[in-house]
Order: sequence, then structure tokens, then C-alpha cells
Amino acid sequence: QSALTQPASESGSPGQSITISCTGTSSDVGGYNFVSWYQQHPGRAPKLMIYEVSNRPSGVSNRFSGSKSGNTASLTISGLQADDEADYYCSSYTASRRYVFGTGTKVSVL
Amino acid sequence: QVQLVESGGGVVQPGRSLRLSCAASGFAVGSLAMSWVRQAPGKGLECVAVISFDGSNKYYADSVKGRFTISRDTSKHMVYLQMDSLRPEDTALYYCTGDMDIWGQGTMVTVSS
Repeated sequence: QSALTQPASESGSPGQSITISCTGTSSDVGGYNFVSWYQQHPGRAPKLMIYEVSNRPSGVSNRFSGSKSGNTASLTISGLQADDEADYYCSSYTASRRYVFGTGTKVSVL
Repeated sequence: QVQLVESGGGVVQPGRSLRLSCAASGFAVGSLAMSWVRQAPGKGLECVAVISFDGSNKYYADSVKGRFTISRDTSKHMVYLQMDSLRPEDTALYYCTGDMDIWGQGTMVTVSS
């Protein structure tokens, strides 16, 4: 099972919006609405930010939103803040009944 | 308070075995699919093992199939990862997760001679 493809890095100024893509196949991202997004600050465990493509867990800011089109899922962070600087990973359920993660995207706030 | 605490990591020689434990509190391990996810130093996340909520199905990444075994003891609120025939490439921080939503802080495994 190959990792989902994410851009290595994205950046934006405070207040701006950025979008991170996550590209898979019809056997994972395109085949199921079980795409999640995780935020990971250095030295910390991943934190669930989005589940089932576009749902936010309780306590997650509404500045984070998710969507999907075909085999590509996206995470948009609006009103970028300094604390948003972190690594972001997507994840998808797969046809082999396992989970696959994306390659990860480092978000920098300029 | 919902929490997962991993233990059992350490330094081990190639070819040896190690058993990781994950203690759950605040929820029942029999109510969620439980997983082990690892992260090699400076690298991304890899889901290596999953046990279904009812314990009837187990799934493994190709990289560990035949060497790692996931199990659980619902009466003790514990999840385990038995790791045999360890390789240097298994060196990573191992996280226990509940439904890929609840995460522990991880336990480090280093495979080195």
C-alpha cells in the first residue's frame, strides 16, 4: 500500500488561507468517505483535525475544513495563525481494510 | 478522562522480540477499532496493525506481516503489539490509537546491535 501523496510544504502569511492536497487512488481516497487529517507539532502526538472528509471533532477550530473530489482530498486552513505551524497528515481507509497515511506536509506561517 | 498510555519500548538487537502494551482509560477497548501507528525518526506515519472493535479481524501492514501480532484484553483494558524478528527499519516511535482518534504519547523502539 503506497502512501498518499501530499506536497512537502505549504506556507502563508497570518490571516491568509492555505489548502493542502492529498492524492490517492480509487482504492482508498476515491473509494471511501473515510479521510482524516491530523496536525502534529514537534515532539507531540498527532491530533485529529478532520474525520470522514469534512467533519470536525469537538474543540477543533472552524478555521479547518475538509473536502474531497475524486481521488484527491483537501484540507483548508483559513485565517492562518502562528500556532497552525506544524506537520499535517491525511489518512484514508483502504480496500484492504487498512489505513494509509499521506507523506505529510510541513506548514509554515511566514 | 479518555487516555491511552503506551509502554514496553526500548533498545533491542536485530532478530529479537519486544512486546508493547497500551493501557486504556475512560473508554472500553472493545468499543473501538484499536491500532498501532509508528513514526520513524524524522519520517511520516505508518499504520502497522489494526484490530477490529469486536476483535474478530486483524490487519497488518505488509512491512510487518508475519512478524507483528496485535491483540487485546478487554477485561484489563489493554492492547498489545508483539514484535518478533525485529529489524533496524522497525526503529520508530510507536503510538497506540483508538479509532485513529484517541492517541497515546508513544513508546520508542530502537533496533540496533
